Parts: sequence; C-alpha cells; structure tokens
Amino acid sequence: ELKVEQNPLFLSMQEGKNYTIYCNYSTTSDRLYWYRQDPGKSLESLFVLLSNGAVKQEGRLMASLDTKARLSTLHITAAVHDLSATYFCAVDGGGGADGLTFGKGTHLIIQP
Amino acid sequence: EAGVAQSPRYKIIEKRQSVAFWCNPISGHATLYWYQQILGQGPKLLIQFQNNGVVDDSQLPKDRFSAERLKGVDSTLKIQPAKLEDSAVYLCASSFGVMNTEAFFGQGTRLTVV
Repeated sequence: ELKVEQNPLFLSMQEGKNYTIYCNYSTTSDRLYWYRQDPGKSLESLFVLLSNGAVKQEGRLMASLDTKARLSTLHITAAVHDLSATYFCAVDGGGGADGLTFGKGTHLIIQP
Repeated sequence: EAGVAQSPRYKIIEKRQSVAFWCNPISGHATLYWYQQILGQGPKLLIQFQNNGVVDDSQLPKDRFSAERLKGVDSTLKIQPAKLEDSAVYLCASSFGVMNTEAFFGQGTRLTVV
C-alpha cells in the first residue's frame, strides 16, 4: 500500500522567513505533485515533478524531487501572508492506475 | 478553457437516504477521478475511469457507493444508503490521459449526513 507522509502538519511562521515542507512516500514512483488548497476551496495544482532531480520554481515556492530517497521538498522563500493555505503532496500509483495518494497536508499560517 | 464542473455544491441529507453527485470533466479529458476528502485530511481516491471504463475502484465502498461514466464524458457518483461517516467533500478531477498527466479538480460537493 502506497503511503505518503508530510511534515510538519501544522506550521505557523512570520512573513519574511524561509521554511521547508517535507514529503516522504513509501514506494517507487517517478511522479509527484504538489497542490494548494484554500479554506472551502478546491485543489490548485502547483507543481508536477516527473523525474529524479526535478526542480521547479514559481515565485516564492520551489519544489524538488529525489526519487532514490523517495523524498520531495517544498521550500518557501521570504514568506508572505498570501501563501497561507494547506499544501498537499501526492504520488500516483503508477502504471495504468494513476489515481493519486495524498499526504495529510501541511496547514501553513503566515503571520504579518 | 472551462474547468471541471460539479453539482450540487452543497447537500444535506439524513442517514439512510440516497444522494447523487454529478461531474462534467474538462473537454477532451479521457480520465476522470472521484475523491473523498474528509475534513482535515487529504483526498482519498474512490474510483478512476478511463473513458467509460473503470481503471481502479479498489477503495470504493461498493456496498453503498456506485459510479458510472456513460459515453465517456459526464459521471455520477451515488451513495445509497448514506451513513454519518460519509460526510465529506466529494471532488471530481480529470486529466487528459493516463500517464504523466496533471489532474485538475472541480470545486467539490460538500455532503453533510445528519
């Protein structure tokens, strides 16, 4: 059974600080996804990481993937209040069944 | 480009009643997923369709949940009879194909069972 673990689950930080969210998964997969969810809203795709060593950046967010360590990170640089949300990582099952297995999410609060 | 459409947005029913949710995926997307998201948790895959065929329904509680995707476009998810623990947001998502493609999510249907 594929398991996806995120940490931390809750994070409160101040604007301007840097922090990293970690995502570990239990089986081999070359595809990892990061989503953002605002309260009461659906999931917004942030990054799709498709190969070992992949690094993608968008604004203050940067995601990386190490398939050998089965680890992905989401790094936040100089956080701003607008980044407050819940962030999920997800891994697909591989093969023809590529439905995603999600982590529990990291609830991020950035205080002004 | 229109996104994934779902209806209704909210539904409140009593336990043991039945309920149905509807999803219209992004035009041209062959793969459709239904996920259940319980408050405070990540979404859990219920069923995956490729066109009108089921690819994975291993986590669908088949004694009470059913889903269909007639003609490979719209899909409905039904719960009969509903239990209190079915209270959740039901998310529909679609993707262009099966391999290496990004899934786009709809707004979801928030179900409350009382």
